[in-house]
Amino acid sequence: AQSVSQHNHHVILSEAASLELGCNYSYGGTVNLFWYVQYPGQHLQLLLKYFSGDPLVKGIKGFEAEFIKSKFSFNLRKPSVQWSDTAEYFCAAQYNNNDMRFGAGTRLTVKP
Amino acid sequence: GAGVSQSPSNKVTEKGKDVELRCDPISGHTALYWYRQSLGQGLEFLIYFQGNSAPDKSGLPSDRFSAERTGGSVSTLTIQRTQQEDSAVYLCASSLTGWSTDTQYFGPGTRLTVL
Repeated sequence: AQSVSQHNHHVILSEAASLELGCNYSYGGTVNLFWYVQYPGQHLQLLLKYFSGDPLVKGIKGFEAEFIKSKFSFNLRKPSVQWSDTAEYFCAAQYNNNDMRFGAGTRLTVKP
Repeated sequence: GAGVSQSPSNKVTEKGKDVELRCDPISGHTALYWYRQSLGQGLEFLIYFQGNSAPDKSGLPSDRFSAERTGGSVSTLTIQRTQQEDSAVYLCASSLTGWSTDTQYFGPGTRLTVL
């Protein structure tokens, strides 16, 4: 069965530090990749998505992710985090219209 | 416009009781999804509705779970004879067409606690 794994359960950074959250997905043919964010007390929101084309995808709030097909990875990055980036981040892979698999999530805490 | 809404926001029930969770998708969205987020776990796909097609129920964990979508809009997820392991946040999402390139928009979720 298809699956998505996120390597870090909880990441703690200081403001201005660089961020990279790992995500790997299992092979399943054509796959669309997503990162969602859930801020405290809010619902899931889409950060960015990759369908095809340039493997470096830019999303909202300065986030970007790189699709590396040979590594089945779609890591999320941000050069300089802010306190307001404190949230839970979910990587997801969609294998067909209705088979969307999510990782377990990574909780990011940014210390001011 | 209005986003996906879910009700109730919180539900506490006793083991063995039935519960109904409601989802109102974004107007005009033909695809609707239900997910479950258990503590410390990722989101787990439950069921998918696309227009008038038969729903994909492949993610439902047991026959105690069922869902319907009336008139292609509002959806209700029903859990019969609830168990403590059913405690989770139940999330609903909708998308415009259901194609894999569509963005899914999530509701705020219903937190279910089974005592």
